[in-house]
Amino acid sequence: AQTVTQSQPEMSVQEAETVTLSCTYDTSESDYYLFWYKQPPSRQMILVIRQEAYKQQNATENRFSVNFQKAAKSFSLKISDSQLGDAAMYFCAYAGAGSYQLTFGKGTKLSVIP
Amino acid sequence: GAVVSQHPSRVICKSGTSVKIECRSLDFQATTMFWYRQFPKQSLMLMATSNEGSKATYEQGVEKDKFLINHASLTLSTLTVTSAHPEDSSFYICSARRDVDEQFFGPGTRLTVL
Repeated sequence: AQTVTQSQPEMSVQEAETVTLSCTYDTSESDYYLFWYKQPPSRQMILVIRQEAYKQQNATENRFSVNFQKAAKSFSLKISDSQLGDAAMYFCAYAGAGSYQLTFGKGTKLSVIP
Repeated sequence: GAVVSQHPSRVICKSGTSVKIECRSLDFQATTMFWYRQFPKQSLMLMATSNEGSKATYEQGVEKDKFLINHASLTLSTLTVTSAHPEDSSFYICSARRDVDEQFFGPGTRLTVL
């Protein structure tokens, strides 16, 4: 079974600064997808960024980028120029290429300090 | 595009009654929908995978006779919590799979059983 571990229950960052959220996973599959989701207080899950395991290049979406280390099974999220609206729960998630079922980590609560 | 709705957003019911939650993909067809449960300050736990026209696949530990899932069309899946009890109180979230590797989430339904 796949597992996703987020070792930081809470993080804080000063507005306009950069923060990195950690995520590690365990799998025996060779083809899979990794995701970061944001859940604000409204509880609507929002896709932040995704990475296909077969791609070596790290995914980037505006201020959000990942550091994907396949051999180490690590998938961290970097948020640059943090904004107040970035404050939320962030979940790292894994999906096997065959099942597409998401396995979530326990989440990291990010606070942004003005 | 890629909007998923859930209805109702909140429901309060008496112990012993049944509650139906609808999940609709508004602007795309979803052959697969997923149902998750989220307790306060916890992560999302996959309950079941719903495929159009076939029986749902339930995760280990989820009672299929208690959580009835019907995926009647390519845009609608329903979750019925039968004979609800206070321990069933939770936040239920659905997602719909549009592309091979992407799911879109509904806004969730908060169920409170008195």
